[in-house]
Amino acid sequence: EAGVAQSPRYKIIEKRQSVAFWCNPISGHATLYWYQQILGQGPKLLIQFQNNGVVDDSQLPKDRFSAERLKGVDSTLKIQPAKLEDSAVYLCASSLRDWQGEQYFGPGTRLTVT
Amino acid sequence: AQTVTQSQPEMSVQEAETVTLSCTYDTSENNYYLFWYKQPPSRQMILVIRQEAYKQQNATENRFSVNFQKAAKSFSLKISDSQLGDTAMYFCAFMKQQWSSDKLIFGTGTRLQVFP
Repeated sequence: EAGVAQSPRYKIIEKRQSVAFWCNPISGHATLYWYQQILGQGPKLLIQFQNNGVVDDSQLPKDRFSAERLKGVDSTLKIQPAKLEDSAVYLCASSLRDWQGEQYFGPGTRLTVT
Repeated sequence: AQTVTQSQPEMSVQEAETVTLSCTYDTSENNYYLFWYKQPPSRQMILVIRQEAYKQQNATENRFSVNFQKAAKSFSLKISDSQLGDTAMYFCAFMKQQWSSDKLIFGTGTRLQVFP
């Protein structure tokens, strides 16, 4: 079974530029999550999708972050414009909607904003 | 709001020895899940072990076991017969049992180094 795929693995941009990350979840997984992991901290949920609907985006900075999940499969997370404090690893995860609670994580995208 | 605390930023253990990582959490919920995730340098988070709060029996997975103390809100991870491949960041995480957002709330992690 293929795991959660993310791209790019690394990205360096200047502040005020835009950036987009892509995630392809495990086939058949209805739920998709984006987490932000700042250096030295645990991941923090930014947004959760159930199929292509948003379940929780309470911690998403909506003035600069946006996310979508087309056709309930792939997802993109965008930052526009980026700030220095957005430097972090962005992790995508997916799970079956069966309340087993197991989320499968991708390798993440490390973003550096200079 | 739920919080997860890992008070040991770094731990080290010699190969084949046993090590215990600590985790405490704060919640007013009665039904929830607790997890330990491993994050090696490759950054990919891997589930190590899971505990349902309604189960009194401590979860075990091969060399990994937990000591779940619900009243004390404590959830420690014991790694027996440590191996070099166990070197990684370990995160304790909490999830409310609810029919909506099932986000994981993570602690700040413990960096474990296994020495030969």
